[in-house]
Amino acid sequence: AQKVTQAQTEISVVEKEDVTLDCVYETRDTTYYLFWYKQPPSGELVFLIRRNSFDEQNEISGRYSWNFQKSTSSFNFTITASQVVDSAVYFCALIIEGGGNKLTFGTGTQLKVEL
Amino acid sequence: DAGVIQSPRHEVTEMGQEVTLRCKPISGHDYLFWYRQTMMRGLELLIYFNNNVPIDDSGMPEDRFSAKMPNASFSTLKIQPSEPRDSAVYFCASSPIPGAAYGYTFGSGTRLTVV
Repeated sequence: AQKVTQAQTEISVVEKEDVTLDCVYETRDTTYYLFWYKQPPSGELVFLIRRNSFDEQNEISGRYSWNFQKSTSSFNFTITASQVVDSAVYFCALIIEGGGNKLTFGTGTQLKVEL
Repeated sequence: DAGVIQSPRHEVTEMGQEVTLRCKPISGHDYLFWYRQTMMRGLELLIYFNNNVPIDDSGMPEDRFSAKMPNASFSTLKIQPSEPRDSAVYFCASSPIPGAAYGYTFGSGTRLTVV
């Protein structure tokens, strides 16, 4: 069975600081997909990124960047120069190819960005 | 594209009453998923459909829960009778192809409170 662990329950930073959200996953499968979702205070779940298990290239999108390392089964998310609008709960998630399409979520990390 | 539409946004009901949650997926999306979010259990998959057919309902907690998808543009999740422990946010999501390749688009959720 697959599992996603987000050990950081809550992180507080001051605006403009960089912050990294950790995600560690477990699976025996070789083909899988990793995701990050954002849940702002309004409650919806917003898709941020998808990464497949064969693509270990890091990705940058504006202030967001993701570091995927199969050797440590990690898929960490960094926000550079954080802003108050980044305050949200961030979820890491995993789907196994052929695993019944079940998107398995981590428990989430609450990020609070203060002025 | 209006996205995944859920109704109602909020529902307050008394214990023992029947509750029906509704979802309209994105047109053309063949997969529909129902998730439940609670503080204790996080985000958990209840059931998913492919082309209106239930594929995996192993996450449905009890016989009190039932889900239907009578056509490609509508699904319901029913709880009868409702109990206070059913209080949660229920999300509907849809995907055009198996989620492993794309990820899901979530609705805004229905916040259910059973008193």
